[in-house]
Amino acid sequence: DTGVSQDPRHKITKRGQNVTFRCDPISEHNRLYWYRQTLGQGPEFLTYFQNEAQLEKSRLLSDRFSAERPKGSFSTLEIQRTEQGDSAMYLCASSIEGRSGRITDTQYFGPGTRLTVL
Amino acid sequence: GQSLEQPSEVTAVEGAIVQINCTYQTSGFYGLSWYQQHDGGAPTFLSYNALDGLEETGRFSSFLSRSDSYGYLLLQELQMKDSASYFCAVNRDSSYKLIFGSGTRLLVRP
Repeated sequence: DTGVSQDPRHKITKRGQNVTFRCDPISEHNRLYWYRQTLGQGPEFLTYFQNEAQLEKSRLLSDRFSAERPKGSFSTLEIQRTEQGDSAMYLCASSIEGRSGRITDTQYFGPGTRLTVL
Repeated sequence: GQSLEQPSEVTAVEGAIVQINCTYQTSGFYGLSWYQQHDGGAPTFLSYNALDGLEETGRFSSFLSRSDSYGYLLLQELQMKDSASYFCAVNRDSSYKLIFGSGTRLLVRP
């Protein structure tokens, strides 16, 4: 496994611009999660996919945020009309149901995309 | 609401043992996970407890008491590389999404 990859690693944008991030999960993983992390805090859940279906969205995910996973492989997270409050690390994680043999899936995190909105 | 409480900082000496506590209050509970995160790095999975008791993985052990809504991570034979932030996280339902605490920053001194 090459692990979860995210692109870009860093993004600086001006307020009001749109940005899009990409996540490539571990190849056989059917679940994909997006989290947001600000300095000194734990990651906060944003949304998750099982295969290509987006099954849950957090209330943190305003209508300016949209996520897709068109073929059940990579995923994109788009933020429209960025605001300074969107500045954070955006983390993607993937897991495969039942692989660990336990009740939970172990989530493998990517390196994140650090977004700075000026 | 839901909350996870853990100490913000812990300092320990190389070679020592340290325990990081986590208490949680969530609507629904499947299990408690622990993640390590070095500065600028991604969270990495350490341990998971779904049932009461102790899980041991090398130098790291994790404990859960569901009746007390409490768990801890025990790190033994501390090494300098263990300096990092440690997060407890609850799996609340079948989505397996993680609800994280705010993290404990561990500083290991020589």
